[in-house]
Amino acid sequence: NAGVTQTPKFQVLKTGQSMTLQCAQDMNHEYMSWYRQDPGMGLRLIHYSVGAGITDQGEVPNGYNVSRSTTEDFPLRLLSAAPSQTSVYFCASSWGSGSGVETQYFGPGTRLLVL
Amino acid sequence: GESVGLHLPTLSVQEGDNSIINCAYSNSASDYFIWYKQESGKGPQFIIDIRSNMDKRQGQRVTVLLNKTVKHLSLQIAATQPGDSAVYFCAENAGRGNKLVFGAGTILRVKS
Repeated sequence: NAGVTQTPKFQVLKTGQSMTLQCAQDMNHEYMSWYRQDPGMGLRLIHYSVGAGITDQGEVPNGYNVSRSTTEDFPLRLLSAAPSQTSVYFCASSWGSGSGVETQYFGPGTRLLVL
Repeated sequence: GESVGLHLPTLSVQEGDNSIINCAYSNSASDYFIWYKQESGKGPQFIIDIRSNMDKRQGQRVTVLLNKTVKHLSLQIAATQPGDSAVYFCAENAGRGNKLVFGAGTILRVKS
């Protein structure tokens, strides 16, 4: 299994541009989530999904959209990039539909710089 | 509660010594806790977890202790090795499905 994969690894955007961060997992996990990590801080939850067709907001959802059309993929869209969205973005997945708690496995991250 | 800021606490230990990394959590309703290790340029890697009905759990070279009375979690690493150098995060589940709340992290530096 490849586990959780993320593309691209690095991205530079100009303010106002849009882009999609890709996340895929091949473990048939129901639960997927997106986090951002800022320097010296822990991870903060952006959006999450408990299964295909179901998404919900996390702690810091503003400026981001998600969709979950398949079990495997969970893309994160930046609608109009802002410098405050400069961060490292991590995707994670786990078993379970969200009613319980299961260990989450993380991808390698996407480093985003917004100028 | 969580510490927030640019300067993470740092623990420096000699190779071969035991390490203890501490974490204070904020929500008394949290019932699941995880320790993650994050090496430079990589995503967090699961180390060990513990549920609130336990106060101790052991893995390979690692032990997690949970004190619910004072809302404190610790990670003990035995015979610390250079490969253990990383940032360590604790995370708590606040009782809403799989949503985790992460602490700010502790840097572990292992001196050879």
